[in-house]
Amino acid sequence: GAGVSQSPRYKVAKRGQDVALRCDPISGHVSLFWYQQALGQGPEFLTYFQNEAQLDKSGLPSDRFFAERPEGSVSTLKIQRTQQEDSAVYLCASSSGASGRGAKNIQYFGAGTRLSVL
Amino acid sequence: SQQGEEDPQALSIQEGENATMNCSYKTSINNLQWYRQNSGRGLVHLILIRSNEREKHSGRLRVTLDTSKKSSSLLITASRAADTASYFCATTPTGNQFYFGTGTSLTVIP
Repeated sequence: GAGVSQSPRYKVAKRGQDVALRCDPISGHVSLFWYQQALGQGPEFLTYFQNEAQLDKSGLPSDRFFAERPEGSVSTLKIQRTQQEDSAVYLCASSSGASGRGAKNIQYFGAGTRLSVL
Repeated sequence: SQQGEEDPQALSIQEGENATMNCSYKTSINNLQWYRQNSGRGLVHLILIRSNEREKHSGRLRVTLDTSKKSSSLLITASRAADTASYFCATTPTGNQFYFGTGTSLTVIP
């Protein structure tokens, strides 16, 4: 399809396990974002890529969280040594523009990966 | 640490009625956007209003923006059961970083 694709849709991890979440953005989209959404809350910004460059990672909650987008398309969010508080839905979004101005910064979201840490 | 807050947190109305939800934010913005999220799904963009605009329409949606009060409202007219979802406002104070509010959960009763 032409939308943002995330995999897996659901992930159950034991505490301490490492996980990797994948995002396939819309083809040609320059910007890619990761968000964390706790139950009943709005998405919280984690990190932003412009092509392969990670321009903002200020929202990553700890050094256990790591994101990459090596070729400027697919991105992976990795969480090491998962903790129960990491349980959330992780959303990926992409947009065509590289700046915050104008209509180009409309974001297109994937369905998310629901992570449950036991 | 979210930039915006929606009000009310939850809203339940009868089909055909209008639904109004409000958003307040904290810093100056370039634009404000409203998104919708169905249960278990990603967010879908509804409408964008620029900081120099006061009102914008799109179909059954009407959005207002008051930058002096740092607030926005979303009105959905003639609501339908299919409008049942959570609605979020999002601001972009700087660059591409998006800040979402806490959301309004709308239930439209058939």
